[in-house]
Amino acid sequence: EPEVTQTPSHQVTQMGQEVILRCVPISNHLYFYWYRQILGQKVEFLVSFYNNEISEKSEIFDDQFSVERPDGSNFTLKIRSTKLEDSAMYFCASSDSSSYNEQFFGPGTRLTVL
Amino acid sequence: SQELEQSPQSLIVQEGKNLTINCTSSKTLYGLYWYKQKYGEGLIFLMMLQKGGEEKSHEKITAKLDEKKQQSSLHITASQPSHAGIYLCGADRRGDMRFGAGTRLTVKP
Repeated sequence: EPEVTQTPSHQVTQMGQEVILRCVPISNHLYFYWYRQILGQKVEFLVSFYNNEISEKSEIFDDQFSVERPDGSNFTLKIRSTKLEDSAMYFCASSDSSSYNEQFFGPGTRLTVL
Repeated sequence: SQELEQSPQSLIVQEGKNLTINCTSSKTLYGLYWYKQKYGEGLIFLMMLQKGGEEKSHEKITAKLDEKKQQSSLHITASQPSHAGIYLCGADRRGDMRFGAGTRLTVKP
């Protein structure tokens, strides 16, 4: 069964460093998403991406964040200058439709900022 | 923004017992999703409801969306330890998902 994969599973970084979180969505999906979950808190939407551009973003997704689909398979989330409060699980998801359809989630990347 | 309130926040039940988790929205729901999350892992899709009054079942889990489309319930019959986890309801808002805070379910053998 096709699945969304994410690498790395755990990333530790120093405050102020840049990190890139990688996702491989399901191959025939066209809509891609990033979510984050701070420990003990709810899953929060960050951004959705379609046709090589951002379709929606939340108030969390500020200028330090960017997303890219560098090739036909990868979808990345870059955090330019990490802060302590960026420590969280980051989930990638993909779907074959923009609405009213199942989003398939990856296993997540745990980001720890020291 | 759409707020989803889930209740209870946590639930401990004895194996074999039935249970219900509720999700209430501050706005009309156009797509209501139930996901399950095991600690430290990704989200597993359970069910999606769109129409008022709709009810779906999968194995021992049944989800309903009320007629006014502002509340959904998830019912588990004869709970098992494998049902343990965090149950999240999500509302579809133009393709992005907004989640409730989750209900942590513990099933005691």
